[in-house]
Amino acid sequence: DTAVSQTPKYLVTQMGNDKSIKCEQNLGHDTMYWYKQDSKKFLKIMFSYNNKELIINETVPNRFSPKSPDKAHLNLHINSLELGDSAVYFCASSQTHGQQYFGPGTRLTVT
Amino acid sequence: DQQVKQNSPSLSVQEGRISILNCDYTNSMFDYFLWYKKYPAEGPTFLISISSIKDKNEDGRFTVFLNKSAKHLSLHIVPSQPGDSAVYFCAASVISDYKLSFGAGTTVTVRA
Repeated sequence: DTAVSQTPKYLVTQMGNDKSIKCEQNLGHDTMYWYKQDSKKFLKIMFSYNNKELIINETVPNRFSPKSPDKAHLNLHINSLELGDSAVYFCASSQTHGQQYFGPGTRLTVT
Repeated sequence: DQQVKQNSPSLSVQEGRISILNCDYTNSMFDYFLWYKKYPAEGPTFLISISSIKDKNEDGRFTVFLNKSAKHLSLHIVPSQPGDSAVYFCAASVISDYKLSFGAGTTVTVRA
C-alpha cells in the first residue's frame, strides 16, 4: 500500500503550458505539503494545508496554486510554466508537527 | 538563506566502518531535528529524530548526537552497510511549527 502517492511521476511540457500534479495520502494525516527540490538539491517548502486550510505559503510565484479538495488530497497547479520551474516536486504528509512522510516525487521538465 | 547546512556533499566509507554525517544550523529557535534518507527516484524516508531536550538518540545502527551550544548535530551509522548508500538530509524545525528546513544533503557511498 502506497502511503503518499503522486501522479504523474514524470512530466515533460513546453513553456507557457498549464499543468497539475496530484497527491494523495492514505495515512489519515491532517497536514499535507508541497516541496520543490531544485538543481542544487535543496528541498524547499512551498505550501502546506492542515485540514484543507492553507497554513504555509512560502514565497513562490503566484503561478503556483495548491488545491486541497479534502484532507487526503493536495494538488499543485502551475500556470504559464517557465524553464526555471523544472525541478522535482515532492508531496508529503504528517499527522502532527515533526515527522513527515514523502511521496516518490514528480520530475517536471519544461522545454 | 539556508538555516540548515550540510557542508560535506559526499562521504565514502568502507563496509563495516562508521559513517559520520554532520549538520549545522543557524536558527536558535529550532528544537526538533530529523534525518532523512533518500534513494534515487524515491522520496525521502524518515530515519531518526531528536528533540532539543536530549543530546543523543539511538535506533539500531543509527545514532544522532545534538550539540545545542555549537548548533551542530551528527548522524553515526555503525556498521555501515551497502544498503546505506544514499543521500542523507538533515532537517530542523520549531516543534510548534509544521515547517521543516532541510540541508542540501550528503551522498554516502559504502564500498565493499
